[in-house]
Amino acid sequence: QQQVKQSPQSLIVQKGGISIINCAYENTAFDYFPWYQQFPGKGPALLIAIRPDVSEKKEGRFTISFNKSAKQFSLHIMDSQPGDSATYFCAALAGANNLFFGTGTRLTVIP
Amino acid sequence: DTAVSQTPKYLVTQMGNDKSIKCEQNLGHDTMYWYKQDSKKFLKIMFSYNNKELIINETVPNRFSPKSPDKAHLNLHINSLELGDSAVYFCASSLRQDRFLHFGNGTRLTVT
Repeated sequence: QQQVKQSPQSLIVQKGGISIINCAYENTAFDYFPWYQQFPGKGPALLIAIRPDVSEKKEGRFTISFNKSAKQFSLHIMDSQPGDSATYFCAALAGANNLFFGTGTRLTVIP
Repeated sequence: DTAVSQTPKYLVTQMGNDKSIKCEQNLGHDTMYWYKQDSKKFLKIMFSYNNKELIINETVPNRFSPKSPDKAHLNLHINSLELGDSAVYFCASSLRQDRFLHFGNGTRLTVT
């Protein structure tokens, strides 16, 4: 059973455009929602994270939007750059450190 | 000064063999994990240890046996390897009260 649903599976964006990745969950016990970025041949690295008592969190060009009532959250990458090309994973966590990952979105930013 | 290091980076072996993957972290973390990433990039937790004690053991065949000799090390031993075990295995660590997982760069296991 997939605890966190993620879409789209792949995304192609022009340089300077906005990349949007969406995630949804069912388990209301989740209380921490991180996003991880993974480059080929590397492990996932924490990018940005949000708690459900906040509706938006911004760090540089990266913004998480969180809709608690809809049980959805999304990652927006503003002014997307070729260096942002990677696989992005949303995740959710409740209590102990058992992260449930989404299925990943492969982002390609075209110069 | 790699934070979470795994060895080997690549492992190619035949069905039926036994192999081990080693993981070490120098972050002073008290919790370590093994994750499996399949060919579709799906990441799933296998095990978690806190202060050498097993705290998470997902539905994993008992051919997989983690061993944590101390807080800084978590090794994964796999017996009787099968074709379906081919994947990338990631070690990670964190402080239990923290929510940030630090991942190693993975071990790509190929079973032929």
